[in-house]
Amino acid sequence: GESVGLHLPTLSVQEGDNSIINCAYSNSASDYFIWYKQESGKGPQFIIDIRSNMDKRQGQRVTVLLNKTVKHLSLQIAATQPGDSAVYFCAENIWYSSASKIIFGSGTRLSIRP
Amino acid sequence: DVKVTQSSRYLVKRTGEKVFLECVQDMDHENMFWYRQDPGLGLRLIYFSYDVKMKEKGDIPEGYSVSREKKERFSLILESASTNQTSMYLCASSSPLSGRFHEQFFGPGTRLTVL
Repeated sequence: GESVGLHLPTLSVQEGDNSIINCAYSNSASDYFIWYKQESGKGPQFIIDIRSNMDKRQGQRVTVLLNKTVKHLSLQIAATQPGDSAVYFCAENIWYSSASKIIFGSGTRLSIRP
Repeated sequence: DVKVTQSSRYLVKRTGEKVFLECVQDMDHENMFWYRQDPGLGLRLIYFSYDVKMKEKGDIPEGYSVSREKKERFSLILESASTNQTSMYLCASSSPLSGRFHEQFFGPGTRLTVL
């Protein structure tokens, strides 16, 4: 069946260091891979996506890497700040029939040490 | 600023009660979704709708139904609440017309406790 997000449940990083959050997926038919951020008491928020025919995409302080050979996705956050504390979900977009749906992973909680 | 709102942040109900969770979006989005979020399980799709009066089952539809009478409003219904439906419920919307079906906008969630 479909599964995504076989990654560590928690990650602790020193403020100012770079964070790397990893994710594995199983479905090769996904057209997009996505990262969402969920802060305490809020719903998830879209951060960045990457199309399946790409291997790297950069945003503001974030970079997503996609390795289709080993079905691995990662999110890199540069110069981690206290505001980056959240649960991060990797997800993949899958098409079936004429609709698409997102399969979410179980999430990694990122905590920042001062 | 785009917004998805949910009718309640916290809700406590008793086993067997009928429960309505309401979601409203102001972005004129075609697609709307209901998820439940449980520790260690991520977000699981219950139902979604891609148009008014249309609905599709997600991965865990058992025990739930939905209603979409207006484009901006998507309701989740628990016909007879059970304790295993205690969870965080999240509503989301997206617009396929933007070409970004996978960019969903979420509400703040409703934490439902069934006693």
